[in-house]
Amino acid sequence: QVQLVESGGDLVKPGGCLRLSCAASGFTFSDYYMTWIRQAPGKGLEWVSYISSSANSIYYADSVKGRFTISRDNAKNSVYLQMNSLRAEDTAVYYCARGSITRAAHFDYWGQGTLVTVSS
Amino acid sequence: EIVMTQSPATLSVSPGERATLSCRASQSVSSNLAWYQQKRGQALRLLIYDASTRATGIPARFSGSGSGTEFTLTISSLQSEDFAVYYCQQYNYYYTFGQGTKLEIK
Repeated sequence: QVQLVESGGDLVKPGGCLRLSCAASGFTFSDYYMTWIRQAPGKGLEWVSYISSSANSIYYADSVKGRFTISRDNAKNSVYLQMNSLRAEDTAVYYCARGSITRAAHFDYWGQGTLVTVSS
Repeated sequence: EIVMTQSPATLSVSPGERATLSCRASQSVSSNLAWYQQKRGQALRLLIYDASTRATGIPARFSGSGSGTEFTLTISSLQSEDFAVYYCQQYNYYYTFGQGTKLEIK
């Protein structure tokens, strides 16, 4: 069955950096768009970034553009989110989710999330 | 940015009854709308995409309707496992989510 397992969340100081990972299994990872979505404590969902199957199409939300970098390693069935210049407002549970073969669109499988806390 | 507004924020319904959740877009998103269910401690679950297509394995009591700016998720006969938070999401232009509707037991 499809599984997505995030890791890398931690407590980090403002201005710091963190790298999140998402390990995928149960499907042909290299065929699918992947995305990161976050949820601040007690709040709703916010799309962060997506990457196409071959990494030739990448987009970011304005709130993270220039600070976050999404990447993937199809040989390792993994997608990553490098987060730099972290701010308090980046505090959230970060989920990776699977898009479709042709575009990001809706997201049919989600991980359980990893918590990032930005605080001094 | 396309703003998604869900109503009501909280809906109290008895098991076995029908629940109707609404989602409004600030501009037309055509049929590029999905619904998700979130339960504490569980991964989010895709229920409906393309406004009215049930995702794989989703029971027939879940149905979606609407297009343009007005959308509805209907759960025809509530089961105990349906009490959760529901989000709508547009994917017509980038991706934005509603703020959620909490469906609670009356």
